[in-house]
Amino acid sequence: DIQMTQSPSSLSASVGDSVTITCRATQTINTQYLNWYQQRPGKAPKLLIYATDTLQSGVPSRFSGSGSGTDFTLTISSLQPDDFATYHCQQSYGNPPTFGGGTKVEVK
Amino acid sequence: HLVESGGGLVKPGGSLRLSCAASGFNFGDYYMTWIRQAPGKGLQWLSYISRNGDTIYYADSVRGRFTVSRDNARKSMYLQMNSLRADDTAIYYCARDQVLPAGDAFDLWGQGTVVTVSS
Repeated sequence: DIQMTQSPSSLSASVGDSVTITCRATQTINTQYLNWYQQRPGKAPKLLIYATDTLQSGVPSRFSGSGSGTDFTLTISSLQPDDFATYHCQQSYGNPPTFGGGTKVEVK
Repeated sequence: HLVESGGGLVKPGGSLRLSCAASGFNFGDYYMTWIRQAPGKGLQWLSYISRNGDTIYYADSVRGRFTVSRDNARKSMYLQMNSLRADDTAIYYCARDQVLPAGDAFDLWGQGTVVTVSS
């Protein structure tokens, strides 16, 4: 199985800050197969970015994704109150699909 | 819109059947999946079923114990869970698997149903 490791596991930030979350795979992944999800407390995950850098419909442009090979990043350019949540990366290149452990973005 | 049901408290070794009811889209056009989240843990993909149910995959951790099925006429998917163990305790989500030009992503999720396995 392809293991996905996110770092950091949690971070503290303030509204307006720029934050970057990293996701590393144990083997090379085609960029078309790397997705990011946002999960607010007590809620189901929501697709944020697919194919590494394509924003899902309705997702604000302050979110961006990049990466290739084994290393991928999610950046939030100016953190808003709604963005305090847990973010999960996920690969669908290998079977089974696997998720990172999540990164919790908390209020500083 | 996806709505799961059927969760609850069950003893180790017991069984439970989860349902996922879809609305607002053509259910039969989509692959569907089950994903779970143990308390305080990350997300774990469990199972995938193709549009007409002829292709099914399972995670190693549930293969042989869980069975996924679907009824396109009823716009529903099911997860029959047998021989439940304490480590099956989790929130169980159903999700729509959107096949993209390349790759795929889980683009619609239900609210989840809680399964607790405890004596």
